[in-house]
Amino acid sequence: QQPVQSPQAVILREGEDAVINCSSSKALYSVHWYRQKHGEAPVFLMILLKGGEQKGHEKISASFNEKKQQSSLYLTASQLSYSGTYFCGTGGYSGNTPLVFGKGTRLSVIA
Amino acid sequence: EAGVAQSPRYKIIEKRQSVAFWCNPISGHATLYWYQQILGQGPKLLIQFQNNGVVDDSQLPKDRFSAERLKGVDSTLKIQPAKLEDSAVYLCASSYPPRGSPLHFGNGTRLTVT
Repeated sequence: QQPVQSPQAVILREGEDAVINCSSSKALYSVHWYRQKHGEAPVFLMILLKGGEQKGHEKISASFNEKKQQSSLYLTASQLSYSGTYFCGTGGYSGNTPLVFGKGTRLSVIA
Repeated sequence: EAGVAQSPRYKIIEKRQSVAFWCNPISGHATLYWYQQILGQGPKLLIQFQNNGVVDDSQLPKDRFSAERLKGVDSTLKIQPAKLEDSAVYLCASSYPPRGSPLHFGNGTRLTVT
């Protein structure tokens, strides 16, 4: 089951904050976040494995609410380099369950 | 460490022709994935290997797509015959171990079927 991401697209000015949400109808074991720039491969940002866990990567952090089967990605004080499409990938509890990616959120940061 | 290598980078073929893509994962990565990414969409898993065994190929159109992983290292994805709707970027990724670890993607092969 493909996770649902929102919003589909967002435009920010440098320095502004954004939140990208990812929700699933299935119980989740893990949530991955990746960023893909135009014409390039997706690049790993972070993985969340436990309910309620929050992780950070520079000015990008994420939370994972296992009970609600949701994850959110927080981008603070956005920079031009943050532009790209952000994908969440969700994994289930059964062994070797493959990651299923959402449709992505296109983020554009302008000066 | 060297990243995931894929070739070719671009390929243009006519419908009903065949095409093959090659992937060399990061050394030591037991799990290898082939994803199809249609423009404007997220990657869709086609097949997942653990060493040289298939873990999941439920979304692989087996009437036209085939994949193998030679000796648990390199992998080849083939399409025969190609259809217009196969136009997409084919991404190879690898990870170690299979669960809870990040996927490392190659730069992909952009396939155009005319």
